[in-house]
Amino acid sequence: DVKVTQSSRYLVKRTGEKVFLECVQDMDHENMFWYRQDPGLGLRLIYFSYDVKMKEKGDIPEGYSVSREKKERFSLILESASTNQTSMYLCASRGTPSYEQYFGPGTRLTVT
Amino acid sequence: GESVGLHLPTLSVQEGDNSIINCAYSNSASDYFIWYKQESGKGPQFIIDIRSNMDKRQGQRVTVLLNKTVKHLSLQIAATQPGDSAVYFCAENSNAGGTSYGKLTFGQGTILTVHP
Repeated sequence: DVKVTQSSRYLVKRTGEKVFLECVQDMDHENMFWYRQDPGLGLRLIYFSYDVKMKEKGDIPEGYSVSREKKERFSLILESASTNQTSMYLCASRGTPSYEQYFGPGTRLTVT
Repeated sequence: GESVGLHLPTLSVQEGDNSIINCAYSNSASDYFIWYKQESGKGPQFIIDIRSNMDKRQGQRVTVLLNKTVKHLSLQIAATQPGDSAVYFCAENSNAGGTSYGKLTFGQGTILTVHP
């Protein structure tokens, strides 16, 4: 079974702090994705990566950056956390040629 | 202060009934569709998928129907059980231009509640 793990289930940070969310997958998937999930808005794509060191902006990249130094690991970075970044963050991975994305359990981030 | 958010569609059924969850998609160029189930406190889990060259696909207790004419997707769950209670999302992949990298666009979701 594909396993996608995220470094924290719950995280509380202060406004202005730098926040790192880590995601690791164990299936040698080329593609990895970061989403945020807010009530009534579904899942919105922040960034994705289709290869090591490659990244593409999603629909809502503002205020975020990403890093993919190794194939199995994809990090989401909030350079200066703000209260409007309080959300559930979900990581997913996908292997070519399938379209199915496998999701991690999510990190619920609260910025105070 | 008080915040007002969007309300998800909800479906409430009795155990043993059949459930139908609907989804309208936006892009006529979408070539792949997928249904996910998300239980409280967990990430979305794959249920079933369908390609645009098909109208129907069946899995175990689930059937997905695709109507490309009206851009509508539905998920049918037979003999619904309390364990089926969750939020259900449809998602579409639009491969227009051929370089979508498998990005999925998700719907808002539907809350299914199954009463024993």
